[in-house]
Amino acid sequence: QSALTQPASVSGSPGQSITISCTGTSSDVGSYNLVSWYQHHPGKAPKLMIYEVSERPSGVSNRFSGSKSGNTASLTISGLQAEDEADYYCCSYAGSRAVVFGGGTKLTVL
Amino acid sequence: QLQLQESGPGLVKPSETLSLTCAVSGGSLSSSTYYWGWIRQPPGKGLEWIGSLYYTGSTYYNPSLKSRITISIDTSKNHFSLELSSVTAADTAVYYCVRHGTASDAFDIWGRGTMVTVSS
Repeated sequence: QSALTQPASVSGSPGQSITISCTGTSSDVGSYNLVSWYQHHPGKAPKLMIYEVSERPSGVSNRFSGSKSGNTASLTISGLQAEDEADYYCCSYAGSRAVVFGGGTKLTVL
Repeated sequence: QLQLQESGPGLVKPSETLSLTCAVSGGSLSSSTYYWGWIRQPPGKGLEWIGSLYYTGSTYYNPSLKSRITISIDTSKNHFSLELSSVTAADTAVYYCVRHGTASDAFDIWGRGTMVTVSS
């Protein structure tokens, strides 16, 4: 059960769009539509942003969207805002009631 | 609004057992649609799922930690607990208790987290 692979960092200017990738295997991301994404501001509890690949919880801005192709899931943030600057983690169901996280991506809003 | 609150010692000695409790308020642990679990984040590192349990007591553990973990539930007190044995400095982390859906496997409610340091 290896961690999912995310880029260490991404950046964008206010108003731009960015995409964070999350690469797993055919045993996790590729096999299940159970990928979720979390926003984590240091010192706070992580917040669920996307579940089941592309579903948004109530209250999450529609600037956040998710998708999946094969073994890679993606989180896209459009219309970047300063408050979007945070760490982002993907997570996937990996079978046998286990889940695995990605290593995290630091988003910098320039 | 359901809330989770972790509690336990902030300092544990190497080789001893780390014990944390998560108190649930504003809702019940006895729900068929949720699991209850623990996630940790070592300083400067990413999130790691530790394990989860169902209100029936069924447990599911991270294979890399399985030999050292016990997660239990007390529905009468509306709390669940984590025990991690034989700790080392590598177990130093912020520990979060969480709720996740049985269908979505998404962690939708998190506690504020509690820092546990392993040091003599």
